[in-house]
Amino acid sequence: NAGVTQTPKFQVLKTGQSMTLQCAQDMNHEYMSWYRQDPGMGLRLIHYSVGAGITDQGEVPNGYNVSRSTTEDFPLRLLSAAPSQTSVYFCASSYSWGRVGHEQYFGPGTRLTVT
Amino acid sequence: AQTVTQSQPEMSVQEAETVTLSCTYDTSESDYYLFWYKQPPSRQMILVIRQEAYKQQNATENRFSVNFQKAAKSFSLKISDSQLGDAAMYFCALISGGGADGLTFGKGTHLIIQP
Repeated sequence: NAGVTQTPKFQVLKTGQSMTLQCAQDMNHEYMSWYRQDPGMGLRLIHYSVGAGITDQGEVPNGYNVSRSTTEDFPLRLLSAAPSQTSVYFCASSYSWGRVGHEQYFGPGTRLTVT
Repeated sequence: AQTVTQSQPEMSVQEAETVTLSCTYDTSESDYYLFWYKQPPSRQMILVIRQEAYKQQNATENRFSVNFQKAAKSFSLKISDSQLGDAAMYFCALISGGGADGLTFGKGTHLIIQP
């Protein structure tokens, strides 16, 4: 198993550009989520999905879009990049959302810089 | 809203000594899990230990153990026989209810191991 994979590992964007961060998992996990990590902060939830075709907003959703057309993939789209979106982005998945405590597996992260 | 607070931005310990990292939390849910994650310089998020709120017994994983004080809403991590490889950021995290809202993280504690 590759686990949770993210591409790219690093990205530099100019203000106003759009891009998609890719996330895929091969563990047949129902639950997938996106977090961002800023200096001096813990991770904060952006969006999550409890299954294919179902997504919802987390704590900091503004400026981001997600979709979940398959169980495996959960891309995060930045619609019009802003310097405030400079951050490290983590994708995570877990077996189920219906029971708390299932371990969340994290991808390696994407470092995004918006100039 | 649930919160997680880590009051120690940085801790330092001599190799082979014991160190305790503090975490307090707040949630109105009765069903929740608490976690400690380790983030080394590679930035990969690694699960260290987890504790279910209903279990009175403190969780232990090799050199890592927790002191879970439910009434005080406290969840500290003790690392025994500290090793150079333990140097990392440590995050306390909480997931509650149905788990769909993802993890709520503290801001982290930077652990330095002095050789």
